[in-house]
Amino acid sequence: AQSVAQPEDQVNVAEGNPLTVKCTYSVSGNPYLFWYVQYPNRGLQFLLKYITGDNLVKGSYGFEAEFNKSQTSFHLKKPSALVSDSALYFCAVRDTRGGSYIPTFGRGTSLIVHP
Amino acid sequence: EPEVTQTPSHQVTQMGQEVILRCVPISNHLYFYWYRQILGQKVEFLVSFYNNEISEKSEIFDDQFSVERPDGSNFTLKIRSTKLEDSAMYFCASSEGVALGYEQYFGPGTRLTVT
Repeated sequence: AQSVAQPEDQVNVAEGNPLTVKCTYSVSGNPYLFWYVQYPNRGLQFLLKYITGDNLVKGSYGFEAEFNKSQTSFHLKKPSALVSDSALYFCAVRDTRGGSYIPTFGRGTSLIVHP
Repeated sequence: EPEVTQTPSHQVTQMGQEVILRCVPISNHLYFYWYRQILGQKVEFLVSFYNNEISEKSEIFDDQFSVERPDGSNFTLKIRSTKLEDSAMYFCASSEGVALGYEQYFGPGTRLTVT
């Protein structure tokens, strides 16, 4: 079975500071990992994904995420936060073992960037 | 940039009434999905659809729910007899493929309120 956890309901960071939004996962096989962002009154937008290869994945809007197999984590990062990054962030996982193509989403983490 | 669209943006209905939520997926995508998000809770998978039939469905997707692709562009979710607990944001999504590495593209959602 696949599952994903986002341990923080909310992350607060000052503009210009680095940000991290945490995600851990559990799978039976290998993970395919995704980050999505949701702005107010909008649907989820794809940010980046890890399938295989380099553990550091770069995505849209300057975001990146680091896959850590030993810690079963896929934390989202950005070196310098912008106020416009304030949104709801979702981590999602698909398991290569299990037969389903449907991702499981985390509960979401609200990122608030203060000016 | 192509996007998934959904109508209406907000639907208010009385308990026991039928509702149809409409979606227009991205034109060259082949796989379609419905998710829901109850306020403050996680994004939950309802159903996936490919080649005019349901590919996967969750336990939530019971006999009260149905999906249809009535023409070459629309993808609809019907709830036959709405319950109070059906109140949620409903998201349509589409993807180019269904393999584990494909990301999904989400619409802006329809907020369904059942009174």
